[in-house]
Amino acid sequence: DQQVKQNSPSLSVQEGRISILNCDYTNSMFDYFLWYKKYPAEGPTFLISISSIKDKNEDGRFTVFLNKSAKHLSLHIVPSQPGDSAVYFCAASAGGGSNYKLTFGKGTLLTVNP
Amino acid sequence: SQTIHQWPATLVQPVGSPLSLECTVEGTSNPNLYWYRQAAGRGLQLLFYSVGIGQISSEVPQNLSASRPQDRQFILSSKKLLLSDSGFYLCAWGRNEQYFGPGTRLTVT
Repeated sequence: DQQVKQNSPSLSVQEGRISILNCDYTNSMFDYFLWYKKYPAEGPTFLISISSIKDKNEDGRFTVFLNKSAKHLSLHIVPSQPGDSAVYFCAASAGGGSNYKLTFGKGTLLTVNP
Repeated sequence: SQTIHQWPATLVQPVGSPLSLECTVEGTSNPNLYWYRQAAGRGLQLLFYSVGIGQISSEVPQNLSASRPQDRQFILSSKKLLLSDSGFYLCAWGRNEQYFGPGTRLTVT
């Protein structure tokens, strides 16, 4: 059973426009959410995170929105740049304990066209 | 600043051969350490995590094992590789935010 779902395998946007990447989760115990960016043959790079006590977190061009009632989060990139082209992974963890295990979605390939 | 190293970057091994992948972290002490695998077209799957020296937890029954002989060293091993062990192996450290190494591309032939 996939607890973190990224239903869009790919997304294509024009440079300068907004990119919106979506993620849904099923486990109500998840209380911390993260977005990672990954280029081919490299490790994922941490982008931004949000705790379940918030509904929005912003860092430069990246904003993450969390809708707990819908178990949905999204990553907004504004404005999109060609260098943003990569696979974006959503991840979630459940509080408690000391292991901080992350559950990842399958990723969305973002292509930003010049 | 903290850095994480993994080696080798790529590896081609025959079925039935042993495996040893190494990960080291610099610039932090007593980190939580993790091994993930990304199979072709899939997301990242947590294989093992460790909260301290000698403490290993396995997430998925499989042909692999992990060890943590030193505080900042994490090793992924197998005695006999299977074709299904092919994939991109990633080591990570951290807690709420996890930071990944460059990865090892393993191809079992």
